[in-house]
Amino acid sequence: SQTIHQWPATLVQPVGSPLSLECTVEGTSNPNLYWYRQAAGRGLQLLFYSVGIGQISSEVPQNLSASRPQDRQFILSSKKLLLSDSGFYLCAWSPGDFGQGLDTFGSGTRLTVV
Amino acid sequence: KQEVTQIPAALSVPEGENLVLNCSFTDSAIYNLQWFRQDPGKGLTSLLLIQSSQREQTSGRLNASLDKSSGRSTLYIAASQPGDSATYLCAVRGGTGFQKLVFGTGTRLLVSP
Repeated sequence: SQTIHQWPATLVQPVGSPLSLECTVEGTSNPNLYWYRQAAGRGLQLLFYSVGIGQISSEVPQNLSASRPQDRQFILSSKKLLLSDSGFYLCAWSPGDFGQGLDTFGSGTRLTVV
Repeated sequence: KQEVTQIPAALSVPEGENLVLNCSFTDSAIYNLQWFRQDPGKGLTSLLLIQSSQREQTSGRLNASLDKSSGRSTLYIAASQPGDSATYLCAVRGGTGFQKLVFGTGTRLLVSP
């Protein structure tokens, strides 16, 4: 069966520090991968998506970047965090063929920038 | 640009009630629609997926309908239980190019014993 792992679960980082959040998927190949952010009291915002290794699309201009070094690994990074980067970050995957099924989400990372 | 709206924003009911959550979307050219559940501080759990060619899907006490032409979906929860308390999110996939999910802002449900 397919599983998605996301870590860490909680992170407190000072302003100006770097960030690296990792997400891995098991049990499937060539998934579409996504990074979302959920700010307090707001809806889910799609940050990045990837349809293959090294292929990254950004949805909104921001202080963050994403990379996909392997088929089932998706990394969210920042060189210097801002206070506005605080939020709940969710990784998700969907089958390469959209007709096959559901979007599956990780358990999330709560990032607080202080 | 696709916009998804969920009504009501919050709902409080006593245990045992049947209830309906509403979702509307502005662009009817969708590929599919999904309903998710989110518990506080947790990730999203997928509940139901309705393809654009389908009218409804059922899973246990949950039934989701889709009226693509009118841009509406409803999630029906039968015999609600306190364990159903969570935020319910509707999301549609569609549009041109890469088919991203567009989420509504959710309905926060509280079921009291």
